[in-house]
Amino acid sequence: GESVGLHLPTLSVQEGDNSIINCAYSNSASDYFIWYKQESGKGPQFIIDIRSNMDKRQGQRVTVLLNKTVKHLSLQIAATQPGDSAVYFCAENKGSSYKLIFGSGTRLLVRP
Amino acid sequence: DADVTQTPRNRITKTGKRIMLECSQTKGHDRMYWYRQDPGLGLRLIYYSFDVKDINKGEISDGYSVSRQAQAKFSLSLESAIPNQTALYFCATSESRTGNTGELFFGEGSRLTVL
Repeated sequence: GESVGLHLPTLSVQEGDNSIINCAYSNSASDYFIWYKQESGKGPQFIIDIRSNMDKRQGQRVTVLLNKTVKHLSLQIAATQPGDSAVYFCAENKGSSYKLIFGSGTRLLVRP
Repeated sequence: DADVTQTPRNRITKTGKRIMLECSQTKGHDRMYWYRQDPGLGLRLIYYSFDVKDINKGEISDGYSVSRQAQAKFSLSLESAIPNQTALYFCATSESRTGNTGELFFGEGSRLTVL
């Protein structure tokens, strides 16, 4: 069935290093993808999105890469900071569908 | 003040009780959503509403009902709570637009425990 999954449930990185969080999706018809960050005790917060007609999009310290050939999405965080510690979710959306399908999340831990 | 406010933030109740979770927003968005979050399962859509007269079931609507009292208010009810409805519940809003759902703005969550 359709699924949005993550390769690693927990990622631990050294402060200052770059982080890469991966996400696999199985619905080849999905054409819009979003990354959310959820800090402890808070609701998810939008980070960055990308449409399927792009393969890369950059924000402030974050980059999302989309590889449609292998149905893979990644979030890269440059110079990871303690404030980046959170759970990160990818989500996919198909065409005019109302529904975002969320992955189960990856916890990012930043070591001082 | 938060743009999307949920009440209560925490609630413990007993099996069979009726529970209402309320959500209000000051973002002026037409679209509102209720999601449920369980460990290891991400967020799953319960109900959504694209305007005051529009209510739609999501992927896990059984055991839940909703009411869109105004553009700014969207409440979720559990008519007879059961233990497997213990979860973290999120309300979210988004702008009206054609095509993709786009960015969701979430409240801070309501943690419900059903004993």
